[in-house]
Amino acid sequence: RKEVEQDPGPFNVPEGATVAFNCTYSNSASQSFFWYRQDCRKEPKLLMSVYSSGNEDGRFTAQLNRASQYISLLIRDSKLSDSATYLCVVREGSGTYKYIFGTGTRLKVLA
Amino acid sequence: EPEVTQTPSHQVTQMGQEVILRCVPISNHLYFYWYRQILGQKVEFLVSFYNNEISEKSEIFDDQFSVERPDGSNFTLKIRSTKLEDSAMYFCASSEALAVYEQYFGPGTRLTVT
Repeated sequence: RKEVEQDPGPFNVPEGATVAFNCTYSNSASQSFFWYRQDCRKEPKLLMSVYSSGNEDGRFTAQLNRASQYISLLIRDSKLSDSATYLCVVREGSGTYKYIFGTGTRLKVLA
Repeated sequence: EPEVTQTPSHQVTQMGQEVILRCVPISNHLYFYWYRQILGQKVEFLVSFYNNEISEKSEIFDDQFSVERPDGSNFTLKIRSTKLEDSAMYFCASSEALAVYEQYFGPGTRLTVT
């Protein structure tokens, strides 16, 4: 089983749509969780950390389900500028500085 | 807004040559990382560095690789004898002290080994 698994997509959605991505992780000792976005041939940019209680930042909502070992990202009212690859990132265990990236989910928002 | 910088943006080298990739992390950050991303593939962890020593490294980070913080600002990745399969984008990242684990990435160096 892959350490961090994501549906590669692409997800093609119309502007204004709501879209959700899931990510599963295999290491139950994983401690910290993040969503990054990556535009083509650019560096990953932090979108948001994912907290146990779930968190929201504007149109973006992240949820963590530790029992099922998955993380989700919901994007409401999609904009053309949301088109990117969304990377799920997991920090393994406590006292470790190793971060595992998923392969990413490609999102294309269509006009 | 403070940012991580990397030089050069693109490096072309011949197989067997040594390359040094340079990074300037965000100034108050204490943890530094190198990642690589082969074209079309996922971002892969190489190494983390704290307090002037390697904290962790992946299986990719073999004896051909080394990291150094030669002064108070630079963080370098050296590949001693490059192979064709080292061609990739190399990203440097940094994060603050222990309580904050969010990493901020530099724009990357595209390494092409011919």
